[in-house]
This record gives sequence, C-alpha cells and structure tokens, in this order.
Amino acid sequence: DGGITQSPKYLFRKEGQNVTLSCEQNLNHDAMYWYRQDPGQGLRLIYYSQIVNDFQKGDIAEGYSVSREKKESFPLTVTSAQKNPTAFYLCASLGDIQYFGAGTRLSVL
Amino acid sequence: AQSVTQPDIHITVSEGASLELRCNYSYGATPYLFWYVQSPGQGLQLLLKYFSGDTLVQGIKGFEAEFKRSQSSFNLRKPSVHWSDAAEYFCAVKAAGNKLTFGGGTRVLVKP
Repeated sequence: DGGITQSPKYLFRKEGQNVTLSCEQNLNHDAMYWYRQDPGQGLRLIYYSQIVNDFQKGDIAEGYSVSREKKESFPLTVTSAQKNPTAFYLCASLGDIQYFGAGTRLSVL
Repeated sequence: AQSVTQPDIHITVSEGASLELRCNYSYGATPYLFWYVQSPGQGLQLLLKYFSGDTLVQGIKGFEAEFKRSQSSFNLRKPSVHWSDAAEYFCAVKAAGNKLTFGGGTRVLVKP
C-alpha cells in the first residue's frame, strides 16, 4: 500500500543527545514536510523540502536539522540545541493534498 | 501572513446530536481550505477540501463544510454525531510554497 511510514513510534532522548526520526514515503511525491505538535497549539512547520537535495526552514527550525538525499526519505534530527523536544512529530508529503504519517512521540529522559 | 483560528478548544456533544466546528482564516488570495481529523496518537486524515466552485463541500464520514468568503469562514458540520467521531479536528489553509497553516484544533467529546 502507498503511504508514509514514520519510525520509531516512540523515542526517548537523553540530555545532550541527538536523535533522528525517520520518514519514508512510497507515494512518489516531491514535497515532504515535518511538523511538531504540542497540545493546544496545532501543527507547526519545522522544515520542508520541495525537491531532492533542497530544503527550507519552517516556522520553528531552531534545534532541528534535515536532509533530503533521496526522494523517498526525509529524516529529521532533533539536536541537543533543542531544549524542549518533547512533542509529537508528524511527517507529511504533498500530492493533491498533504498525506500524513502516524507520527513519532519524542520524550526526554 | 496567513492564519487560521479555531475558536473552540473543546466541544462536547451528545451522540446523535448535530455538530458544528468553527474555522476562520486570514489569507490575502483565494484560499485552499482543508479539514483534517486526528485520533489520539495518530496522524491526520483528510475529511474534505475546498479549492473552488460550490461553496458547500461534502467529505467523508458524513461531514460537510461551507466556505463563506464574506465571513472568512470554513465551518465543519455533521448532522448526527457518532461515538467514533470523538477526535481532534484541524482546519488548515494552503499558502504559497505549498505550505499549510493549521489552526489550534478543536477536541470533540461525544457523550452517550
């Protein structure tokens, strides 16, 4: 089935550690997105990529990094510079509409 | 810059009753508008979208929404709510660069 796969479903980060969230899509979409979701704040855009080897900062990019080496993959790294990383992270890709993965919940140990 | 406001953070409705979720947007051009639904711990599923044409849009699961340009609104409605409709609902507007701006969401609780 076509879709977006995010892994892991749950992730724990220690102080000072970088962690990487995986996002893979087999929809053949050019554009991909990362959102952060906090209770009562809706979704906020972290980074997006409209094409391979290109990406742009969204509204809350500080403390995050991304890469887009393959069309299918758009991993997000939460760096140690992100002081409040606990949130639900959603990946999406764009066809006629935005399609979303099931999310990764990141917590701090 | 575009923005989306969902004035109601929580709504509680009895099963079988009607539901209306409010959405107001701010966007300079003709908006592309969306309603998504999210079950706990899950991703977002598209309920319906408005790009142009008929201002009353039918979606999945018996939902509909009406675009009112004069009021900058895109309210979501369902005539008779089922217990499975308990979820969080997000309104969104598509801006330049293929980016979506989301409202803060409305959580719907359904009473038996």
